[in-house]
Amino acid sequence: QSALTQPASMSGSPGQSITISCTGTSSDIGGYNYVSWYQRHPGKGPKLIIYDVNNRPSGVSDRFSASKSGNTASLTISGLQAEDEADYYCSSYTHSRPLFGGGTKLTVL
Amino acid sequence: QVELVQSGAEVRKPGASVKVSCKASGYSFTNYYIHWVRQAPGQGLEWMGRINPGGTGIIYAHNFQGRVTLTRDTSTTTVYMELSSLRSEDTAVYYCAKDRNDFWSGSLYYFDYWGQGTLVTVSS
Repeated sequence: QSALTQPASMSGSPGQSITISCTGTSSDIGGYNYVSWYQRHPGKGPKLIIYDVNNRPSGVSDRFSASKSGNTASLTISGLQAEDEADYYCSSYTHSRPLFGGGTKLTVL
Repeated sequence: QVELVQSGAEVRKPGASVKVSCKASGYSFTNYYIHWVRQAPGQGLEWMGRINPGGTGIIYAHNFQGRVTLTRDTSTTTVYMELSSLRSEDTAVYYCAKDRNDFWSGSLYYFDYWGQGTLVTVSS
């Protein structure tokens, strides 16, 4: 099964908001409310920032929000900060395994 | 605090095997699945399988069936991932990750803590 589809790169200026999309199918994103998002800075392991489509783990900034519509999930980062520059990955449950997106490299200009 | 510390980078020739360790601390080791995820250069994340450190439950991703083996040592709270018959396409950073849900809640494949990653290079 193919990976979920994300834009390869996005950019924004400090203070702006950006939305990263993640497109799947009715067998993954569209079929379950088990979507998560991860942030990864260079040289580090990923960090869980969203689970259950739109829930933030304790300690994650409320500048991160997410949603799902049909087969597409979205991550919105508001009030962009320099520290938000990282790679972002979506993931969805499907048939007793996780499926990941290819990742989006976010550059804060 | 929860910590997953992986072993260092490895270089192997095609056809060889590699074994990567992941030492867990800061939580009840036997209550949470440990998963393995890899990322090849320029590619996305790919799930390889999971192990129940407290029991016998092991599931391997279809793409790795027959080539990957997950084991654990409860005395040292360490999980191991061994990948055999290596080929150049296995060159990747390999991560271990802790499941957010405890064993009894069932895994929804949310990973709340990750190791730092281990680079495995397969080259002749």
